[in-house]
Parts: sequence; C-alpha cells; structure tokens
Amino acid sequence: DAKTTQPNSMESNEEEPVHLPCNHSTISGTDYIHWYRQLPSQGPEYVIHGLTSNVNNRMASLAIAEDRKSSTLILHRATLRDAAVYYCIPTSGTYKYIFGTGTRLKVLA
Amino acid sequence: DAGVIQSPRHEVTEMGQEVTLRCKPISGHNSLFWYRQTMMRGLELLIYFNNNVPIDDSGMPEDRFSAKMPNASFSTLKIQPSEPRDSAVYFCASRTAGASSYNEQFFGPGTRLTVL
Repeated sequence: DAKTTQPNSMESNEEEPVHLPCNHSTISGTDYIHWYRQLPSQGPEYVIHGLTSNVNNRMASLAIAEDRKSSTLILHRATLRDAAVYYCIPTSGTYKYIFGTGTRLKVLA
Repeated sequence: DAGVIQSPRHEVTEMGQEVTLRCKPISGHNSLFWYRQTMMRGLELLIYFNNNVPIDDSGMPEDRFSAKMPNASFSTLKIQPSEPRDSAVYFCASRTAGASSYNEQFFGPGTRLTVL
C-alpha cells in the first residue's frame, strides 16, 4: 500500500479557495487516489477520486501531478461546513482503504 | 435512502460484558465493512464482507471479536468479553459491486463504545 504524507492541519478563511496537498510517492500505476473527509462526530464521506487526469465534481476538484506522486484537493470556496479531517487514500484496486492521520481543516469565519 | 444505519449510537458497558453492535447497509449494496476509530490508531478496517461472506478478517484484533452477516440487510459485530481498551467509535460502511477500486464506501454515523 502506498504511504501518504499530509499536513496535520490547515486553516482557511471562509469563501476562499483551499488547496489540500498529499504526497504519495510510492503509489503504483493502477492505484486510484481517493479523498474522503470526516466531519465532527460523523463517519467519513467520499469527496472525489481520480487516476491520472484532473477531476471535478460538485464538492471539489482533484489535481493529480503528472508523475502521480502527489495530488491536491481543491475546495473552491470554503464554507464553515467544510471544516473536517481530509484523508488522501491511494487504493490498490482492492477494498482495503488505509486511512492515515489526514489533514484537519479549520475554516475561519 | 436512509443511508447506513447503526445501532446503538452510544453504548456504555462494564468490563467483561458482551457487546453487540448492529448495522443495516444501504439497500442494494453487497459489500460491508466494519471499522474502528481511536485516537491512538486512527481508523482501522476490522472485517470486510462481500455478498454476506467474510472475505478479510485480518483486522479483527483477537478472538473476543466476531462479526456476522446473516443476510444482505443486517450485520453484527460482537465483543465478548469486552475490555476497556475496546473503547472506540465503530463504523459500518457499505458499497456496491465487488473489488472495484472506484466504488465509494458509504459510512454510517458510528457507535461510540465505552467500556468501564
């Protein structure tokens, strides 16, 4: 399983973009990169995933480096409801998600 | 859709007692997961079922833990006897299909277990 490195915490002002980085230098060629987030006192929820190309959905965008050794989750306009722990999870094509310590995002009003 | 349903939401018990946690996956999902989350160890996969059959139980900490999935709409995680170190939040998750890497998991709200 690919090892990930994420900053322990980040802060953002409300209504501003947030870029959450993740390093996964040992990722294999077939690993998808998933992002989940966990809001306070809730279970994790899916945010986005990708393989090689940048991806967009209603929640966020995912920018994947050309060498795939890193990726960045982009929240275009952070709201107070986006305050959560964000997990970057390279998956090896199986069911097993390895949740690391994630990045705790604090959004300031 | 009601999402993944877990019960109870909170459980406080004394050491040595049996604890049973329950999960109802999303209708139509055929994969089910039990996770445990603690401050020290983060979120860990305990066991994975596919089509009601346990596929991987390598994360189950010891024989005191057991899980069953008697049908597609119900699963239990049992701890007998419980110990204070079992205190954690236990999450159930479900998803569709088999081993595809891009089928997202949907998590329940969790059961917070406290063993005194």
